[in-house]
Amino acid sequence: GAGVSQTPSNKVTEKGKYVELRCDPISGHTALYWYRQSLGQGPEFLIYFQGTGAADDSGLPNDRFFAVRPEGSVSTLKIQRTERGDSAVYLCASSLGGAAGETQYFGPGTRLLVL
Amino acid sequence: AQSVAQPEDQVNVAEGNPLTVKCTYSVSGNPYLFWYVQYPNRGLQFLLKYITGDNLVKGSYGFEAEFNKSQTSFHLKKPSALVSDSALYFCAVRDPGNYQLIWGAGTKLIIKP
Repeated sequence: GAGVSQTPSNKVTEKGKYVELRCDPISGHTALYWYRQSLGQGPEFLIYFQGTGAADDSGLPNDRFFAVRPEGSVSTLKIQRTERGDSAVYLCASSLGGAAGETQYFGPGTRLLVL
Repeated sequence: AQSVAQPEDQVNVAEGNPLTVKCTYSVSGNPYLFWYVQYPNRGLQFLLKYITGDNLVKGSYGFEAEFNKSQTSFHLKKPSALVSDSALYFCAVRDPGNYQLIWGAGTKLIIKP
């Protein structure tokens, strides 16, 4: 079946602009995660959704970052007033129900470049 | 604080030889441990995980990993390396009380013909 998809695959924007990154999880997966991966590093947790609600948003770096999942499926990560330091690959993952031992399946990522 | 260490930035192995990619962790309680592989310009692919039970777990593409609680390690192994195994490998840990995966910095595995 279809895996996790993310759009766009690449996004170039200017400092100060607003961007939206989209994630479409595996059908039937109630748990959705956003991570950020900078060059040469492992992914860094941003936020976790269980259904429509953000169960853990402790990884969001500041209030410029916000994410929604209004219908419990597709999620959008929103970044306001982008900064050059926001440049990274943004990864989305989903798992069946959110249990700790479940495998998280990742999308290909969105590569964000802030000029 | 939870953490994962992959002490080698790069591992070089000749094709056909056994390979080991090291991972150690620090987490309270009984951890859940994962290995993922990342090929260039592609997403993270799940290889294997340890949840409970047998300390030796087998995964995709002939990989296996051994959980060692006393040494807090979860090293990835393969008996005979293939050139196609060349990629970036990440170890990750999840505290059962938390939702997030904590990741190592990754190890670049290079298999030479």
